[in-house]
Amino acid sequence: KAGVTQTPRYLIKTRGQQVTLSCSPISGHRSVSWYQQTPGQGLQFLFEYFSETQRNKGNFPGRFSGRQFSNSRSEMNVSTLELGDSALYLCASSQINGRETQYFGPGTRLLVL
Amino acid sequence: GIQVEQSPPDLILQEGANSTLRCNFSDSVNNLQWFHQNPWGQLINLFYIPSGTKQNGRLSATTVATERYSLLYISSSQTTDSGVYFCAVVAGGGGADGLTFGKGTHLIIQP
Repeated sequence: KAGVTQTPRYLIKTRGQQVTLSCSPISGHRSVSWYQQTPGQGLQFLFEYFSETQRNKGNFPGRFSGRQFSNSRSEMNVSTLELGDSALYLCASSQINGRETQYFGPGTRLLVL
Repeated sequence: GIQVEQSPPDLILQEGANSTLRCNFSDSVNNLQWFHQNPWGQLINLFYIPSGTKQNGRLSATTVATERYSLLYISSSQTTDSGVYFCAVVAGGGGADGLTFGKGTHLIIQP
């Protein structure tokens, strides 16, 4: 089976812009989670989607949002970018929920200037 | 929320040495995974181990859920084992199912 894929791999934006990142889970996996990794805060959970519904959410402002499509692919959006949003954004998929093995994609590196 | 502490934060070893990485967590867990982050940032699954013992080649892991810790053992280290190792858990109970990560152990294997 193909692994989790994320696009784009690298992105440069300026403050105030918005950005959309995409994640395709492993075939048959219905749960998709998003994580942010920064040098200062480490790896933090953003949110989880299942059957096109946000099921869990971490402690991030409303500028961070996401959605899931009927084929389980997911997108996350960050509006009004801030310098502190520069990070590696990782997507993970699992069959049903986060209590099972989560498999991670290669990530999207976002740089906000 | 649940706290995850990893030790040591940094570890430098010679090729061929054995190492033990520790992960302590503050509450019951439904999921515990060990990852190796490669130089490009991808998290590579090593073990899913909320309890018990598993082995995969030179790597093995043990989780003692009742005492709230997990250990990752690397035997006969190779330079390719270098990188950051993360422990991550999903707290027990009915809370969110997102993984809570430790800060990682940065392992350097010298030739």
